[in-house]
Amino acid sequence: DAGITQSPRHKVTETGTPVTLRCHQTENHRYMYWYRQDPGHGLRLIHYSYGVKDTDKGEVSDGYSVSRSKTEDFLLTLESATSSQTSVYFCAISDQETQYFGPGTRLLVL
Amino acid sequence: KQEVTQIPAALSVPEGENLVLNCSFTDSAIYNLQWFRQDPGKGLTSLLLIQSSQREQTSGRLNASLDKSSGRSTLYIAASQPGDSATYLCAIDDGAQKLVFGQGTRLTINP
Repeated sequence: DAGITQSPRHKVTETGTPVTLRCHQTENHRYMYWYRQDPGHGLRLIHYSYGVKDTDKGEVSDGYSVSRSKTEDFLLTLESATSSQTSVYFCAISDQETQYFGPGTRLLVL
Repeated sequence: KQEVTQIPAALSVPEGENLVLNCSFTDSAIYNLQWFRQDPGKGLTSLLLIQSSQREQTSGRLNASLDKSSGRSTLYIAASQPGDSATYLCAIDDGAQKLVFGQGTRLTINP
């Protein structure tokens, strides 16, 4: 398995609270991604990074922000969580070819 | 905007059968196409990657084909086994290192 970890693996939070998910890689890959997976929608790209401090929006970026201050870490922040952000969040890394996925974080917003 | 469709959404076959999973896409200007496997409650595992210039890729019992002109890819699984039961997803990279996914086919192999 590619060296990707996500933390936390599970989280329950309340509407309106900020939440930060962390993705950590040990592969030194340049590209990192955050996706969400929902029934009926499949996997959708939230944000991605093509280098330290270089990020861009994906298909469903509203309500999310990201930061990448080191090659190995990519943080996803929900500024004020809403129930519509209940989902499974996956981090991925890429060597410009294959994407490798982390184990996922299950987030429940009550 | 690229759209990726996988039909059927679910498939159930007896063990030992050869089977084909389908993936179609709307824009033929692709960089590569990837097939992934996802087990329940787990992340995605890359199975095969086909470059735009390639027609097929093989790995063990798996063979993936790509026909850009018709906007189609197939994943062929030979001699299916219960351990092949999972959801299979195809994804298109349009060259910007971003993937657009289909919704997947949930495959069940019955012993």
